[in-house]
Amino acid sequence: EPEVTQTPSHQVTQMGQEVILRCVPISNHLYFYWYRQILGQKVEFLVSFYNNEISEKSEIFDDQFSVERPDGSNFTLKIRSTKLEDSAMYFCASSQQGYGYTFGSGTRLTVV
Amino acid sequence: AQSVAQPEDQVNVAEGNPLTVKCTYSVSGNPYLFWYVQYPNRGLQFLLKYITGDNLVKGSYGFEAEFNKSQTSFHLKKPSALVSDSALYFCAVRDYDYKLSFGAGTTVTVRA
Repeated sequence: EPEVTQTPSHQVTQMGQEVILRCVPISNHLYFYWYRQILGQKVEFLVSFYNNEISEKSEIFDDQFSVERPDGSNFTLKIRSTKLEDSAMYFCASSQQGYGYTFGSGTRLTVV
Repeated sequence: AQSVAQPEDQVNVAEGNPLTVKCTYSVSGNPYLFWYVQYPNRGLQFLLKYITGDNLVKGSYGFEAEFNKSQTSFHLKKPSALVSDSALYFCAVRDYDYKLSFGAGTTVTVRA
C-alpha cells in the first residue's frame, strides 16, 4: 500500500535555529497537508497545499512557517526561527480528492 | 467550519467487552467522517470512513462505526475489545478546502 514518508523521524534543534521537515506524499495525490500534535494532545491543522500554492492556513501558521514543493515529489515545512513551543509531532498527509487521507509517521521536533 | 466533538477524554473497558468511542459532528451539508487511531509514539492510522451509503461502516481491526444523521453522531464500536486496542482515537471531519478537522481525541484503555 502506498505510504507517505517523513524524514527525519526525530529532530532536536536549538531555539532560534531553522529546521526543515521533509515529506514525500503519495505520487498521484493532489492535496498536501501539515498538521501538528503537541504531545498526546489534539491534532491541529497547519496548512494545506494544492496546485503548487497554499490553499488554506491556520492561525498557527505564522510568518515563521513556510511550505514548499521544490521538485514535484517532496513537500517541506520550514520553521525559520524555532521556539520552545514549536516542540511537537509534525505530521504530513496527502489526499487525492478529499475522500481518503494518508498520514506519514511523523517527525518529532524537540526545541531546546 | 465543520467540526467534530469527542465528549469523553478516556474510555476504560475490560478485554472481551464491547468498546464504544463517541463522536458527534456539526456540519453544513453532507458530512465526510473519519476515524483514526494513534498508538504510543506512532503516526495516525486510518480505521474507517463514512462518505455516503450504508450507515454502518466496517473498518480495520474489527472496528465499525454507525452514522446517525438524526443524532449527528458517528460512534466507533468494537464488539469485543482487545488489550492491543489501547490507544488514542481521533474522530475527524472533512472541512472546507478538503482539510481534516480532528476531535480532541479519546484515550482507550483495555484492561486484561
